[in-house]
Amino acid sequence: DQQVKQNSPSLSVQEGRISILNCDYTNSMFDYFLWYKKYPAEGPTFLISISSIKDKNEDGRFTVFLNKSAKHLSLHIVPSQPGDSAVYFCAASAYAGDYKLSFGAGTTVTVRA
Amino acid sequence: DADVTQTPRNRITKTGKRIMLECSQTKGHDRMYWYRQDPGLGLRLIYYSFDVKDINKGEISDGYSVSRQAQAKFSLSLESAIPNQTALYFCATEGGPGNQPQHFGDGTRLSIL
Repeated sequence: DQQVKQNSPSLSVQEGRISILNCDYTNSMFDYFLWYKKYPAEGPTFLISISSIKDKNEDGRFTVFLNKSAKHLSLHIVPSQPGDSAVYFCAASAYAGDYKLSFGAGTTVTVRA
Repeated sequence: DADVTQTPRNRITKTGKRIMLECSQTKGHDRMYWYRQDPGLGLRLIYYSFDVKDINKGEISDGYSVSRQAQAKFSLSLESAIPNQTALYFCATEGGPGNQPQHFGDGTRLSIL
């Protein structure tokens, strides 16, 4: 049973607009959350993370929001650029689970010119 | 040069064959992981190792084995390959326990006929 779910397999957005990617989780023990970005024929690369003691973390055009009560996090990309076209994976880990990562199925983002 | 190198990058083989996928890293990390990616399922953990003497099963270890030959090398074996092991396989490293991102190789695309 997947503990991390990305319910939108794909997202298309116009260049310059905001991309919002969503992720839900079921394990209340998760205390660290990450987003990875993956281009074709490459491995996932770390994008941004957030600890459960925070509700927002920002890094340039990328912001991650965490809503612990709803067990929901989101990634905002503003403004979206053509180079942002990739697959984005949400992942989570727990101290109780020795920090092994559980991944969502991924969301493919396409940024239109 | 890549920090995490996987060989081969692509492999096509037949059912029943023994296959070894290799992973080497120059990051000096103790923790290493093997994942497989299937469409719609994200990345699932096969095996992981926290140091040379430590090997642990992940969520889908059946049909696989691993060997940690040195801090820098972690290999995955399929003793008798079957078609449903056709997938994209990723190796990853991590610098230590807790709240650190994992670093991935570029993957091995394995097809079993």
